Amino acid sequence: DVKVTQSSRYLVKRTGEKVFLECVQDMDHENMFWYRQDPGLGLRLIYFSYDVKMKEKGDIPEGYSVSREKKERFSLILESASTNQTSMYLCASSSTRQGLSSGANVLTFGAGSRLTVL
Amino acid sequence: DAKTTQPTSMDCAEGRAANLPCNHSTISGNEYVYWYRQIHSQGPQYIIHGLKNNETNEMASLIITEDRKSSTLILPHATLRDTAVYYCIVRAIKAAGNKLTFGGGTRVLVKP
Repeated sequence: DVKVTQSSRYLVKRTGEKVFLECVQDMDHENMFWYRQDPGLGLRLIYFSYDVKMKEKGDIPEGYSVSREKKERFSLILESASTNQTSMYLCASSSTRQGLSSGANVLTFGAGSRLTVL
Repeated sequence: DAKTTQPTSMDCAEGRAANLPCNHSTISGNEYVYWYRQIHSQGPQYIIHGLKNNETNEMASLIITEDRKSSTLILPHATLRDTAVYYCIVRAIKAAGNKLTFGGGTRVLVKP
């Protein structure tokens, strides 16, 4: 019954590598989000998308880009990985229609991808 | 979005009610109160939300004060599996995006 799937649970990459983190949701949600989580800093929003091909910067977009070519898929790209991008990355999705009708801003999160950059 | 203030941590006895406070004194009239929790090594999980009235679901109850400046999440019979970080978030619903900002949360430890 997994609804938000992140492609890799654990990744180890080298500095300078290009890294793709993939996220797929099967709930027909309009909104998708990428967060990173670090000890003592909580969850911080990197990018989000409210429609296909639409993207908006979150609080910490530097060093990242995203792609949303299909409604169900939202990719996070690290063009040139650096050690300070070692983190847990969490993808989430939500429904705009549900939110407007009930006020329920329910984000469904994936299990997370733990990235280590050496 | 209105800022929220939560205690950093709290302990609770298994089987007892856990009452988690949240202060949001600058909340606006169109902002909802949301509660999420994050169990270790998992993504955050939605618990409950409310605007003005108290709410209850199978997981918890949400009590919002009449002036809406604070709220309390109640876990009626805490179990060891309720050990998690609990986040209180305030946000207005918008037509698109609806991003949520997670603060530090309250680290709840349920003890046997």
